[in-house]
Amino acid sequence: DAGVIQSPRHEVTEMGQEVTLRCKPISGHDYLFWYRQTMMRGLELLIYFNNNVPIDDSGMPEDRFSAKMPNASFSTLKIQPSEPRDSAVYFCASTGGELAKNIQYFGAGTRLSVL
Amino acid sequence: SQKIEQNSEALNIQEGKTATLTCNYTNYSPAYLQWYRQDPGRGPVFLLLIRENEKEKRKERLKVTFDTTLKQSLFHITASQPADSATYLCALDERGATNKLIFGTGTLLAVQP
Repeated sequence: DAGVIQSPRHEVTEMGQEVTLRCKPISGHDYLFWYRQTMMRGLELLIYFNNNVPIDDSGMPEDRFSAKMPNASFSTLKIQPSEPRDSAVYFCASTGGELAKNIQYFGAGTRLSVL
Repeated sequence: SQKIEQNSEALNIQEGKTATLTCNYTNYSPAYLQWYRQDPGRGPVFLLLIRENEKEKRKERLKVTFDTTLKQSLFHITASQPADSATYLCALDERGATNKLIFGTGTLLAVQP
């Protein structure tokens, strides 16, 4: 398996623009997580899904952030409108199945810069 | 409030020595605790998981201890190598929330040759 795949790897945008981050989890995993990592706050959980259904979105900073999982192999995290304080590295992770139970597998991340 | 604390300062050690990283938590009752390694520009990678009823877990040169009374985990790397240089993150499960992890801020380890 190729692992968790995120795109794009880097995104530079201007304040006010819409940003869409994408994630393909490992096949067979039924949990998907979105995290944000900054120097100041570390790795923060934004939202997670189980079987494509959002379970906990309490970490989503505000209404400008939204996430969807239309099927088991794809998820998006959207920021609209983006602001400079959204600049961070965004990670997607997945887990599931007996062998991977409780262990999260992370993608390489998307480095977002909002100017 | 809930808090997970790791060594805030970077840890510098000499090659061949044992590195010891700490993870302290408050106001959690985790069923298990995990350690991840993160290299620059990459996502965290799972290393070890230890359950609340386990005192110690080993994997090659890695050893993790878990003291639920002290609310602390120690992560040891014996015979450290420059290739062990990375940021190490501890993570706790949130009891009652299947598979949800809360991560510490990480400790940067630098092993000098």
